[in-house]
Amino acid sequence: KQEVTQIPAALSVPEGENLVLNCSFTDSAIYNLQWFRQDPGKGLTSLLLIQSSQREQTSGRLNASLDKSSGRSTLYIAASQPGDSATYLCVLSSGTYKYIFGTGTRLKVLA
Amino acid sequence: DADVTQTPRNRITKTGKRIMLECSQTKGHDRMYWYRQDPGLGLRLIYYSFDVKDINKGEISDGYSVSRQAQAKFSLSLESAIPNQTALYFCATGGTGRLAGDTGELFFGEGSRLTVL
Repeated sequence: KQEVTQIPAALSVPEGENLVLNCSFTDSAIYNLQWFRQDPGKGLTSLLLIQSSQREQTSGRLNASLDKSSGRSTLYIAASQPGDSATYLCVLSSGTYKYIFGTGTRLKVLA
Repeated sequence: DADVTQTPRNRITKTGKRIMLECSQTKGHDRMYWYRQDPGLGLRLIYYSFDVKDINKGEISDGYSVSRQAQAKFSLSLESAIPNQTALYFCATGGTGRLAGDTGELFFGEGSRLTVL
């Protein structure tokens, strides 16, 4: 059974710091992996999608990597800003109907 | 316009009332999903549909029903609402990833906050 864990569960950093969020999974047979952000009480906004055959994707200050052999994905946020404060979720697809959601990392960037 | 639109965005109702949450999408995806989110429990799958004739129960379907009126529309109904159905409900769509240009990416609506008194 695929399990997805995100560490740390919560993180507080000063503005301007570079940071890394981690997502670990137990079964390397994934179809794709997606990173989302969710603001409190709001919807999930897709940040980056990494296909199984890819190693990383970049969008602006965000970079996501995927290492299937070690069961790990990281989301790197450069020069963090208070507006980056949110909960970040990684979501795995096995290629069937099911998506497996990570436990989430709650990020707070202090001004 | 949003790719996935949910209505209503907020609803307060009373125990025993019937309520419908609607979802429409412009992505052209066949797959549509309904999830609920509760504090500390993450997202749980209620129902999913692969096309208008293919509807399946998820982890927590008891007390809910769905209707896939068209490829673009997927509605969630609570026939007789109860207080523990108070939650944030999300509709999502995802492609299969097997057609050209379809990455299998998952898209969410903004959510429907339901309160059952």
